[in-house]
Amino acid sequence: SQQGEEDPQALSIQEGENATMNCSYKTSINNLQWYRQNSGRGLVHLILIRSNEREKHSGRLRVTLDTSKKSSSLLITASRAADTASYFCATEGSSNTGKLIFGQGTTLQVKP
Amino acid sequence: DGGITQSPKYLFRKEGQNVTLSCEQNLNHDAMYWYRQDPGQGLRLIYYSQIVNDFQKGDIAEGYSVSREKKESFPLTVTSAQKNPTAFYLCASSSSADTQYFGPGTRLTVL
Repeated sequence: SQQGEEDPQALSIQEGENATMNCSYKTSINNLQWYRQNSGRGLVHLILIRSNEREKHSGRLRVTLDTSKKSSSLLITASRAADTASYFCATEGSSNTGKLIFGQGTTLQVKP
Repeated sequence: DGGITQSPKYLFRKEGQNVTLSCEQNLNHDAMYWYRQDPGQGLRLIYYSQIVNDFQKGDIAEGYSVSREKKESFPLTVTSAQKNPTAFYLCASSSSADTQYFGPGTRLTVL
């Protein structure tokens, strides 16, 4: 089962612009994570936000979490061509099994 | 050089054949996971193991089998019962119910 739905499915922007991706989920969570995947490669962890946090920053990344709306957003500021990749949100439920449920991803293209 | 490795990078399977995908980690992580990714899709959990000699089915375990005899290793066998095995397979490990670290993946194609 896939809990997360991501929006938009694809995003194309110019270098230097900001990119915003949204993720919605269905059940209560312990945390929500964002991962990045370059084409044909494994996933790389970007940032984790816990259910009692509302906003988190890491470099050019800003993540927000609204548990009342069961949604999260990932903002990449001042995008670069190297940011071109697919971005996935993943939620870890309250069962503490470590199981992650992934969304279908947003494909970001940053044009130089 | 710590990390998680998968082999082979590309694998071709004939109809009715079992194949085994390797996943090894030297991060001393207790938990390991196998995911399947189809084109343009997110990851779906096949099996996971939170400790040596124990593993649980994920959302799409049918046609797959695993073993966890060593902490470092979590091989996945794609059996002939899996009718549509062509996909990208990703292995991950974690030290807690938290961040997962992924291998580079194995692309399996059925001939």
